[in-house]
Amino acid sequence: AQKVTQAQTEISVVEKEDVTLDCVYETRDTTYYLFWYKQPPSGELVFLIRRNSFDEQNEISGRYSWNFQKSTSSFNFTITASQVVDSAVYFCALSEALTGRRALTFGSGTRLQVQP
Amino acid sequence: GAGVSQTPSNKVTEKGKYVELRCDPISGHTALYWYRQSLGQGPEFLIYFQGTGAADDSGLPNDRFFAVRPEGSVSTLKIQRTERGDSAVYLCASSSSGRTGSGANVLTFGAGSRLTVL
Repeated sequence: AQKVTQAQTEISVVEKEDVTLDCVYETRDTTYYLFWYKQPPSGELVFLIRRNSFDEQNEISGRYSWNFQKSTSSFNFTITASQVVDSAVYFCALSEALTGRRALTFGSGTRLQVQP
Repeated sequence: GAGVSQTPSNKVTEKGKYVELRCDPISGHTALYWYRQSLGQGPEFLIYFQGTGAADDSGLPNDRFFAVRPEGSVSTLKIQRTERGDSAVYLCASSSSGRTGSGANVLTFGAGSRLTVL
């Protein structure tokens, strides 16, 4: 069975601080995808990134960066120089890549509050 | 359409009533998913359609829940004999791709239908 754990329920930072959101996953599959989604106060989930389990290169997109470490089953997300607009709930998710079951398994989310 | 559209955005009903929630996916997306999100929790998978058929309905909690997608586009989630525990936001998502490729499993979500059972 797949499982995604986001141990940080809520994080509060002051604008311009860097913040890292942790994600640890469990799967017996050798090939899988990892995702991060953002859920702002409006409620609509917004896709941020997808990572294939074969690709352990870290990725940077503007102020966002992701650190995938297969050895520790972690896929952490860092926001550099946080802004108030980053305030949202962030979800890490996992899905199988090659088998028929394509549903995403989500973690319980981390609520990020960025104070001005 | 440009995005995934869900109606109604809010539904209040009484215990025991029947409810239908509608999802209009992005045009051309063959895969459609229903999720349920309770307060403070992550989305929980309910059912996945590939075209008109339910490819995976393992997340449906019981036989009061049913979903259809008769023409491979719009889908309706149906809940019979609603219970207070069914109160949640019901999210629909769609995806364009098959199993692999750049879009594989990248879901675009709608804004959700908030169901309140009194």
